[in-house]
Amino acid sequence: DAGVIQSPRHEVTEMGQEVTLRCKPISGHDYLFWYRQTMMRGLELLIYFNNNVPIDDSGMPEDRFSAKMPNASFSTLKIQPSEPRDSAVYFCASSFGTGLSGELFFGEGSRLTVL
Amino acid sequence: KQEVTQIPAALSVPEGENLVLNCSFTDSAIYNLQWFRQDPGKGLTSLLLIQSSQREQTSGRLNASLDKSSGRSTLYIAASQPGDSATYLCAVGTSGSRLTFGEGTQLTVNP
Repeated sequence: DAGVIQSPRHEVTEMGQEVTLRCKPISGHDYLFWYRQTMMRGLELLIYFNNNVPIDDSGMPEDRFSAKMPNASFSTLKIQPSEPRDSAVYFCASSFGTGLSGELFFGEGSRLTVL
Repeated sequence: KQEVTQIPAALSVPEGENLVLNCSFTDSAIYNLQWFRQDPGKGLTSLLLIQSSQREQTSGRLNASLDKSSGRSTLYIAASQPGDSATYLCAVGTSGSRLTFGEGTQLTVNP
């Protein structure tokens, strides 16, 4: 299996621009998670989906952030408009099952820099 | 709210040494605990997953233990190698599929 695939790997944009990050989870996994990692705050869960349905978006920082999962093999995280404080590495992760069985597999991340 | 603490924040050891990384958590009502490795500029790689009913898991030179009652887990690395240099993170799984991560221990193994 190719693992969790994220794109782009690097994105540099100017404040106010729209940013779209993409994720393809591992085939057969029914959970998808979006995390953000910064030096100051470590890893933070933004949102997660189960069977393409958003379950918990309490970690989404503001209305500028939105996430969708139109099908089992694709998800997007959108920031509009972007701000310099959004600069971070955004990770997508997927797992099969939860609780007792949910080993989490991460993508390589998308490094976002907002100037 | 679950809080996860990892000690030490950084560790530097000579090659061949056995070492222990520590992870503590405040809420013992967990489903599982995972140890991850993160190399610079890379994503997280799952090393070991311990279910709440288990006491330990082993994979090669790695052994992870879990003591729910005391809110602690340790990751033991035997015969460390320079290739083990990375940041190691523990994450605790609680209700709602939520993983809470520690800040990580940055390990350097010197040849």
